Amino acid sequence: GAVVSQHPSRVICKSGTSVKIECRSLDFQATTMFWYRQFPKQSLMLMATSNEGSKATYEQGVEKDKFLINHASLTLSTLTVTSAHPEDSSFYICSAPRGQQFFGPGTRLTVL
Amino acid sequence: KQEVTQIPAALSVPEGENLVLNCSFTDSAIYNLQWFRQDPGKGLTSLLLIQSSQREQTSGRLNASLDKSSGRSTLYIAASQPGDSATYLCAVLGNNNDMRFGAGTRLTVKP
Repeated sequence: GAVVSQHPSRVICKSGTSVKIECRSLDFQATTMFWYRQFPKQSLMLMATSNEGSKATYEQGVEKDKFLINHASLTLSTLTVTSAHPEDSSFYICSAPRGQQFFGPGTRLTVL
Repeated sequence: KQEVTQIPAALSVPEGENLVLNCSFTDSAIYNLQWFRQDPGKGLTSLLLIQSSQREQTSGRLNASLDKSSGRSTLYIAASQPGDSATYLCAVLGNNNDMRFGAGTRLTVKP
């Protein structure tokens, strides 16, 4: 099956700093990638759709200025959490479609 | 907007028991439905994928069914083992490539 990687797998940062998470499709190209967030003991929630060559599409309630998405190439999408606060601490997962959705291993963000 | 519901939220069974996890969705216009397993603090492991034109898929001790018209899917686990303990997520992929997840069923299989 197709492989999607994420980096970093785990990050701890101070409140007010920005954190960048990378999502890569390793063996296929993806014009679209998806970003999800999962709070403890809750299910995954779609945050936004990352589109190569155009602006990301955000789900209702997700602040686009706080969660910056850049689909830099056909194999890379980045999610930047700007001015992170403790309430942004969560598990972030990306996915890319190739027939079906393939998920990255996730990034656990802890904001102190 | 598609809504996905999973019942029960948690389930505890003794080892060896057969069990059924339920998933329902509100919009039957789906591309496919997928069952995932998630271990604590880990990412997703895809278990079974059912295309909208299919009725069921089987893999080992797992069997998933899909009734698109009624908006339901079930995941059947035969002869459960302690290693099956995890959270099981049902996800529906819409025709515009958006995936919606249920809240999951937290399964505990006791030795």
